[in-house]
Amino acid sequence: KQEVTQIPAALSVPEGENLVLNCSFTDSAIYNLQWFRQDPGKGLTSLLLIQSSQREQTSGRLNASLDKSSGRSTLYIAASQPGDSATYLCAVSPLTDSWGKLQFGAGTQVVVTP
Amino acid sequence: EAGVAQSPRYKIIEKRQSVAFWCNPISGHATLYWYQQILGQGPKLLIQFQNNGVVDDSQLPKDRFSAERLKGVDSTLKIQPAKLEDSAVYLCASSPGIGNEQYFGPGTRLTVT
Repeated sequence: KQEVTQIPAALSVPEGENLVLNCSFTDSAIYNLQWFRQDPGKGLTSLLLIQSSQREQTSGRLNASLDKSSGRSTLYIAASQPGDSATYLCAVSPLTDSWGKLQFGAGTQVVVTP
Repeated sequence: EAGVAQSPRYKIIEKRQSVAFWCNPISGHATLYWYQQILGQGPKLLIQFQNNGVVDDSQLPKDRFSAERLKGVDSTLKIQPAKLEDSAVYLCASSPGIGNEQYFGPGTRLTVT
């Protein structure tokens, strides 16, 4: 059974510092991995999607890497800003079982202080 | 392009009552998902539709939860009767097809007292 873990559960950094968020998964048979942002009381906003054949994906200040063999993904946010404060969730779409569904980690709550 | 719409945004009911949530996916998206997110946890898939057919409902508590997607567009999720442990945010998502990027609605926050 696929397990997705995000450590740490919470993180606080001063503005301008780079953010590094970790995601690990137990079964490397994945179709893709997606990173989301969730603001309090809101739904999820998709940040980046990495296909299983890709090693990384970039969008603006965000960069996500994927190492399937070790079951890890890392989301980097450069030069953090107070507006980056949110909960960040990673999710994998398994190749087996019913593919397409997402299995989520519990998220990392990020606070960027001015 | 309009996003995924959900209503209501908030609902408070007493245990043993029934409740229904509505979702309108992004136009043209064939795949629709309902997730349950309990406070402090990541979302958990309840049911997945491809057009108006069910792809996966293995984690749907079928004794009390039901969902339908008539005509392959809008969807309704119902809980009857509700229990205290059903208090959660219910998220609807859609994607162009299975395995594509998923887009989420704002969610419905359910409180069962």
